Amino acid sequence: EPEVTQTPSHQVTQMGQEVILRCVPISNHLYFYWYRQILGQKVEFLVSFYNNEISEKSEIFDDQFSVERPDGSNFTLKIRSTKLEDSAMYFCASSEDRGVAETQYFGPGTRLLVL
Amino acid sequence: AQKVTQAQTEISVVEKEDVTLDCVYETRDTTYYLFWYKQPPSGELVFLIRRNSFDEQNEISGRYSWNFQKSTSSFNFTITASQVVDSAVYFCALSEDTNAGKSTFGDGTTLTVKP
Repeated sequence: EPEVTQTPSHQVTQMGQEVILRCVPISNHLYFYWYRQILGQKVEFLVSFYNNEISEKSEIFDDQFSVERPDGSNFTLKIRSTKLEDSAMYFCASSEDRGVAETQYFGPGTRLLVL
Repeated sequence: AQKVTQAQTEISVVEKEDVTLDCVYETRDTTYYLFWYKQPPSGELVFLIRRNSFDEQNEISGRYSWNFQKSTSSFNFTITASQVVDSAVYFCALSEDTNAGKSTFGDGTTLTVKP
């Protein structure tokens, strides 16, 4: 069964460093998302991406964040200068279309720890 | 502004009991979408259902059912004959957009099903 994959599973970085979180969505999917979940807290929407551009973004998704689909398979989230409060689990998701029957498929997540 | 309230922080039931997880939402839009997600102890996110504001029909999927009532701005989730594997955190979410973009999540309800 097709699945969304994310790498790395864990990343530790120093405050101020840039990190790139990678996701490989399901191959025929057109919509991509990033969410984050600070430990023990609720899930927060970051950004959605369609047709090679950002579709929607939340207030969290400021200039420190960017997303890219550098090739036909990867979907990346970049944090330019990490802060302590960026420590969280980051989930990528994809869906086939924006139609009525849309189902989101989630990756296993990347746990980011900023020291 | 949109808001999702899951007033039940934790629920504990014994296997085979039915359990209902409450979700109350606030939105000014007439078109919106409601979601339920499951996060088992292993940490991944699983999409369960998406419902649009024009479809108030209740949904049943196996032991899961959802009751959408616009009059009370609620989208409750019932698990019939609960099983230990249902133990998870369940999140309700609201999106004022078709594709789960800019979705707002509730704080989650932790369901523990004891054998």
